Amino acid sequence: AQSVTQLGSHVSVSEGALVLLRCNYSSSVPPYLFWYVQYPNQGLQLLLKYTSAATLVKGINGFEAEFKKSETSFHLTKPSAHMSDAAEYFCAVSEWAGGGADGLTFGKGTHLIIQP
Amino acid sequence: NAGVMQNPRHLVRRRGQEARLRCSPMKGHSHVYWYRQLPEEGLKFMVYLQKENIIDESGMPKERFSAEFPKEGPSILRIQQVVRGDSAAYFCASSRGTDTQYFGPGTRLTVL
Repeated sequence: AQSVTQLGSHVSVSEGALVLLRCNYSSSVPPYLFWYVQYPNQGLQLLLKYTSAATLVKGINGFEAEFKKSETSFHLTKPSAHMSDAAEYFCAVSEWAGGGADGLTFGKGTHLIIQP
Repeated sequence: NAGVMQNPRHLVRRRGQEARLRCSPMKGHSHVYWYRQLPEEGLKFMVYLQKENIIDESGMPKERFSAEFPKEGPSILRIQQVVRGDSAAYFCASSRGTDTQYFGPGTRLTVL
């Protein structure tokens, strides 16, 4: 069984400040890990994914995440927040590279608030 | 290349009615997944289908819910005799094989 824990249902940062969204996972097999972003009333957009090629993964919109096996973590970061980053962010885990077969297991999400 | 399409975007039903949610996968994608998002919750996997086959329905409620992906046409998620607890956002995702899943904009179901 797999699970994802996202620490902090709401995170507030100032525009221009570092963004750090935390994700810890549990998996009995080597995991594939994903970050998705959801803007209000829209579907989910893939930000980045870890598929064991490299532990530091760069995604779209300046986001990146680092896979740390010893900490079972896959935290999402962005050096400088922009107002347009305000959204809901979901971390997900799967046994499969594309999240296929039995679907993705999602965390509950973190709502990112950007203060002007 | 059009993305995953879902319709309707918003659906209102009274208790006891049927809800039909449609999902057209991206061109070239033959795998479809349905997820449900309850308020303040993450997405929960419901069912995984390939053309004319249900591969995994371990996340589907045992009663009132069914899904299909016919040879021609969109995938359909059907909820019979809806109850207030069915109110949620339902998302469809598609993929090419077990590759990355791409999500549609969702259908927001409200049960009165």
